[in-house]
Amino acid sequence: IVLTQSPGTLSLSPGERATLSCRASQSVISDYLAWYQQKPGQAPRLLISGTSSRATGIPDRFSGSGSGTDFTLTISRLEAEDFAVYYCQQYGSALFTFGPGTKVDIK
Amino acid sequence: EVQLVQSGAEVKKPGESLKISCKDSGNSFTNYWIGWVRQMPGKGLEWMGVIYPRDSDTRYSPSFQGQVTISADKSISTAYLQWSSLKASDTAMYYCARALSLVRSPAFDIWGQGTMVTVSS
Repeated sequence: IVLTQSPGTLSLSPGERATLSCRASQSVISDYLAWYQQKPGQAPRLLISGTSSRATGIPDRFSGSGSGTDFTLTISRLEAEDFAVYYCQQYGSALFTFGPGTKVDIK
Repeated sequence: EVQLVQSGAEVKKPGESLKISCKDSGNSFTNYWIGWVRQMPGKGLEWMGVIYPRDSDTRYSPSFQGQVTISADKSISTAYLQWSSLKASDTAMYYCARALSLVRSPAFDIWGQGTMVTVSS
């Protein structure tokens, strides 16, 4: 399964809403879709698993939704620490796949 | 608190072998999967493979099958990623990460700090 993320870069201001898309080439089991955040020089951090379940310690401004081949990560109000690269990931047929990432930068 | 602590940065020449490590500081090393993820400079995340240390069940990405070997020593709670003959294109940051399950919500919830591997003549 190939994952495509859009847009490649999202330029927004603090306080704005961010909507990130992840599209799969085939249907993904909802329980098998996750989102990660990565800041420069840091390891990735799990944000969302099972399409919509926030990982421990993740603020509720982060939410995930979707089904089938279309999934969305929403950041309701961007804070300064949210400017980063976001990756979706799926698991299927005993393989993990990451999307190419969406960079959220400051406008 | 579980932490994954990776071995330090490596600088190697093409053709050399290398084995990097990922040590679990917790007490449940045999109860979850350890995966390896490559990130080439300025690029995205690529899954390489996972291992279940309890029985050494190992799954590889087709892109990395035959190129690397993933192993684990449960007696010292450590997973390994090794190469027999490095290439310049292996230059990257390598992360290990924990997945609690491959059946329920497969995702990597804890990550190591990364090991930078540089291969240059």
